[in-house]
Amino acid sequence: SAVISQKPSRDICQRGTSLTIQCQVDSQVTMMFWYRQQPGQSLTLIATANQGSEATYESGFVIDKFPISRPNLTFSTLTVSNMSPEDSSIYLCSAGGDTQYFGPGTRLTVL
Amino acid sequence: AQTVTQSQPEMSVQEAETVTLSCTYDTSESDYYLFWYKQPPSRQMILVIRQEAYKQQNATENRFSVNFQKAAKSFSLKISDSQLGDAAMYFCAYRRGGAQKLVFGQGTRLTINP
Repeated sequence: SAVISQKPSRDICQRGTSLTIQCQVDSQVTMMFWYRQQPGQSLTLIATANQGSEATYESGFVIDKFPISRPNLTFSTLTVSNMSPEDSSIYLCSAGGDTQYFGPGTRLTVL
Repeated sequence: AQTVTQSQPEMSVQEAETVTLSCTYDTSESDYYLFWYKQPPSRQMILVIRQEAYKQQNATENRFSVNFQKAAKSFSLKISDSQLGDAAMYFCAYRRGGAQKLVFGQGTRLTINP
C-alpha cells in the first residue's frame, strides 16, 4: 500500500485567488490522480499526472483552471486558479498500482 | 463509457446486525477490477475490499465480504456484525484492466444505530 499526504488540509480563500495543493507519496509511483468531490457528491476525476509529461485532463476540466505539476515520482501539485464559490470542494489525490490509495483530502472553501 | 450505480443513497442498520450495500456497473470489458471504499466524516478514503473480475471466488476481508455476480454486473458489499465505526459513506468503484483511473458510484451513506 501507499501512504499519501496532502497539504493544506483545509483553506478558506477569496474569490479570484489561486490555491496550490501538494500531494506526497511515500514510494515512487508512475501515475498520480487528482479528484474533486463537491459537497454531498461522489468523486470526479480531474486529471491524471504522469511524471515527465503533461497531465491528461478529463472532460470538463482544463489546464488553465487546474494546472498540475509532477516534478518527480513521489510528488504532485494541483492549482485551483481564479477561484469562485463553485470551486468549494474537497480535492483528493491518489496513487498506487493495481489498487489506488488516497490522501486525506483538502477541504477548500471559496468566499 | 463505464458507469457505476449505487441505488441506495442511505442505509441504516442496528449495531451487530448485517447489512448489504448494492452496486451495479456497466462495462463491455472482460478485464476489470471492482472496489469498495469507505469515507468516514474525516473524509479519508479507505479501501475496504477489492475484487478482480477474473476471480470467481468472492473477496473477503474480516467482517466485509462481496457478492460478485459477473453476468448480472452486480457487486454488493456485506458487512457482518456492524460496528459504530462502520458508519461512513461507502463508494463502489470500477477500474478497467490496463488503466488506473477509477469510476465511482454515487455513494451510500451507512448509519449504525446503537
